Amino acid sequence: DADVTQTPRNRITKTGKRIMLECSQTKGHDRMYWYRQDPGLGLRLIYYSFDVKDINKGEISDGYSVSRQAQAKFSLSLESAIPNQTALYFCATSDSNRLADTQYFGPGTRLTVL
Amino acid sequence: AQSVSQHNHHVILSEAASLELGCNYSYGGTVNLFWYVQYPGQHLQLLLKYFSGDPLVKGIKGFEAEFIKSKFSFNLRKPSVQWSDTAEYFCAVFSPGGFQKLVFGTGTRLLVSP
Repeated sequence: DADVTQTPRNRITKTGKRIMLECSQTKGHDRMYWYRQDPGLGLRLIYYSFDVKDINKGEISDGYSVSRQAQAKFSLSLESAIPNQTALYFCATSDSNRLADTQYFGPGTRLTVL
Repeated sequence: AQSVSQHNHHVILSEAASLELGCNYSYGGTVNLFWYVQYPGQHLQLLLKYFSGDPLVKGIKGFEAEFIKSKFSFNLRKPSVQWSDTAEYFCAVFSPGGFQKLVFGTGTRLLVSP
């Protein structure tokens, strides 16, 4: 079984709709992240959470919100989707007890906003 | 602000050619360095990492990278590429005593022709 899972894998929605992307992990890691990937821009950090009670904005958090429901679950919401939020979204986890912050990625959610 | 530069956005090679992908970062403190690979349609996977010791790091599938502190560089190399190396490669930097987030470069798309 995959250590980091994301649902849905693909989603097409309309402008103005609220949607939620979910991420679950079985690695027992305390840190979780949401990134978006756009061609030519690499991965950009949206939000990150160092534990259940610690949530922080990344470099492009506008238009997004998150919820850390449990150590293993971290959801990303688009309150009112717009077309420039069309992208590939990745969840990742890491273990703060390790020296180097190796991150483990989920399979991604391809989101299209029409 | 810390940043990671990957100067080669697209690289096209024939099988058996040698590969070197450049990565430079802009942070003067202690860093941990990573190369991730994303094969077509797949999520990011760790290729190799450096956090201390021998600056020449060997990773999976015959890849290696050399950390040159004086040049703020962590270039990825492979002596002889294969068609299966076609993928996008991302360099990333983490500062354990500093910004506490993984900062990614914009990626390099490698196409290996058979």
